Amino acid sequence: DTGVSQDPRHKITKRGQNVTFRCDPISEHNRLYWYRQTLGQGPEFLTYFQNEAQLEKSRLLSDRFSAERPKGSFSTLEIQRTEQGDSAMYLCASSFNHNEQFFGPGTRLTVL
Amino acid sequence: KNEVEQSPQNLTAQEGEFITINCSYSVGISALHWLQQHPGGGIVSLFMLSSGKKKHGRLIATINIQEKHSSLHITASHPRDSAVYICAVPHSNYQLIWGAGTKLIIKP
Repeated sequence: DTGVSQDPRHKITKRGQNVTFRCDPISEHNRLYWYRQTLGQGPEFLTYFQNEAQLEKSRLLSDRFSAERPKGSFSTLEIQRTEQGDSAMYLCASSFNHNEQFFGPGTRLTVL
Repeated sequence: KNEVEQSPQNLTAQEGEFITINCSYSVGISALHWLQQHPGGGIVSLFMLSSGKKKHGRLIATINIQEKHSSLHITASHPRDSAVYICAVPHSNYQLIWGAGTKLIIKP
C-alpha cells in the first residue's frame, strides 16, 4: 500500500498520560499536514511541514502538542499530559506542494 | 456567511437514484477538493479539480470557476456510497477551508 499510513489506528489513554502518533506520508510528497476532527465537526488544521520544516502551527496547537518531521519523511505528533478534551480523530495528510492532499485513515484518541 | 457552503446538509435516497451535492464558495481559488468520509473512518480524496469536469467510476465532479460553484454527482447510487461528502478549497498556501459536509444515506 503506497498511501498515507498512520499508527496506531486507535489509542485509549488515561488523562495526564503522554501519547505519540506516527504518520508515514506518500513517499514523493514533500508536504505533510496534521488535522484534528471531533465528532460531527469538520477537520481542523493543526500544523504542516514542508520537508522537515514546520511552517505553520494553528493556535489550536497548545504547548502540550508538538510535532516533528525530522528527516522530511514520517512525522510524529505528541500530546503531553492528555486531557479529556483531546479526545478526537487525528488525521494526517500529504501532498506534493499545494496539490491534492491525500489523507491517512486517522488515529482515534480516547482520553479517559 | 461561510466561505464554503454545501447543500443539502442531509440527503436520503433510494438505491439507483442519481445524486447531486452542491458546493458554493466565496473565495478565489485555484482548485477545489471533493472528499468522502465514512462513519468513524478516515477521509478519502475523491477529486481535485480546477476546471470543467472529472469522472471516476460512478462519480462525476464539475466546477464553474466564474460562478464559484461545484457539484458532485453519483450515478446509480448504492448503499455503500453512504458517507459524508465534503468539499474544501485551498486557503493561503496550505490550509483547506472545509464545507460542513453532506451526509448521504442510500437505502437499499
